[in-house]
Amino acid sequence: GAGVSQTPSNKVTEKGKYVELRCDPISGHTALYWYRQSLGQGPEFLIYFQGTGAADDSGLPNDRFFAVRPEGSVSTLKIQRTERGDSAVYLCASSSGLNTGELFFGEGSRLTVL
Amino acid sequence: AQSVTQLDSHVSVSEGTPVLLRCNYSSSYSPSLFWYVQHPNKGLQLLLKYTSAATLVKGINGFEAEFKKSETSFHLTKPSAHMSDAAEYFCVVSDFKGAQKLVFGQGTRLTINP
Repeated sequence: GAGVSQTPSNKVTEKGKYVELRCDPISGHTALYWYRQSLGQGPEFLIYFQGTGAADDSGLPNDRFFAVRPEGSVSTLKIQRTERGDSAVYLCASSSGLNTGELFFGEGSRLTVL
Repeated sequence: AQSVTQLDSHVSVSEGTPVLLRCNYSSSYSPSLFWYVQHPNKGLQLLLKYTSAATLVKGINGFEAEFKKSETSFHLTKPSAHMSDAAEYFCVVSDFKGAQKLVFGQGTRLTINP
């Protein structure tokens, strides 16, 4: 596709449930990022992939959060035992990996934990 | 650690008047700085970037920003506001130490009055 695609756009779940959020980056982009944006805040870094490997996962808040990118393209962010505090918009971005600083963002997946 | 502070959470101007969105940064080394814009229900988009070349940076849609090291500022300006400029604007600093980990400010919501 032309841009970064994220699914679902909206997810409502109950506390304690497991959630998966998917990101399809721009074709050919080697770098992929996950950010989390809480209401009224700027996005916060979660994890960065270069190819298939997680180059930097220092932003993941705890071990309930995990992300994979098995074939170096699509990525899935997985959240176990969701808590109300996990409610936020989860943003995915991709870049060519050339250190230009320009990231191309998707529209986000809004997660609501009841 | 790097950080940015956006001095106004909300700015309101009349159409046709100048826009000023203020940003101060903190960085232990020469930073790369960006402004991103987020329109409602759209993905974040890069407006402009500073990467140690010219201190006055021109971006899309008539926006520009000036890097002032002595003031640790990177304010965003536009001579004449347009209704379509209404959006959330984020000042961003980058860590280029091996990863494009962007650190976002809290955002400034720009409202344009007819």
